[in-house]
Amino acid sequence: DAGVTQSPTHLIKTRGQQVTLRCSPKSGHDTVSWYQQALGQGPQFIFQYYEEEERQRGNFPDRFSGHQFPNYSSELNVNALLLGDSALYLCASEGGGATYNSPLHFGNGTRLTVT
Amino acid sequence: AQSVSQHNHHVILSEAASLELGCNYSYGGTVNLFWYVQYPGQHLQLLLKYFSGDPLVKGIKGFEAEFIKSKFSFNLRKPSVQWSDTAEYFCAVRGGGSYIPTFGRGTSLIVHP
Repeated sequence: DAGVTQSPTHLIKTRGQQVTLRCSPKSGHDTVSWYQQALGQGPQFIFQYYEEEERQRGNFPDRFSGHQFPNYSSELNVNALLLGDSALYLCASEGGGATYNSPLHFGNGTRLTVT
Repeated sequence: AQSVSQHNHHVILSEAASLELGCNYSYGGTVNLFWYVQYPGQHLQLLLKYFSGDPLVKGIKGFEAEFIKSKFSFNLRKPSVQWSDTAEYFCAVRGGGSYIPTFGRGTSLIVHP
């Protein structure tokens, strides 16, 4: 049991379309981060949400946006999909507003394929 | 910006062989270090972490890692691997004023029975 749940598990979209991925954090966690993991690469940080606001953002274009709800769950939206957006999208949660010491708890990810 | 290098991208071992996976990072200040593991079909999970104190840290399943500050390294070791250790291993570093961890590209470990 991952604790962090993501949906859907797999998704196939066409270039130019928009996609929404969802994440429920581990119980008791209030901070959600999204990562993109391309094949053969490590997770790349997209952004982090805390108290329903984007707190920090990685080097991703504005086509990538997100939201956090009052129950701490989160969505990742990607507009105008490109072939290069094909990847595994990981959601990670942590508690206490995130600290240097808190490890990340990951979900199983959503495999997005853009054709 | 912080960077993390994992030099071994693919490692193939036989059971009972010893394992050492390299991890080097670029930031010279205070860092928090992690190793995560992803078993086939499972989510990424924490293997071990270093924050301060004894530079030799022990994690789950017999793994350990040594923080060598002078070498900017945090290598993962296991004296005797098992087939069940087959997985992807990721090193991650927090530091430089950001609590967002930077991940290495990972090492794929295959252990033959």
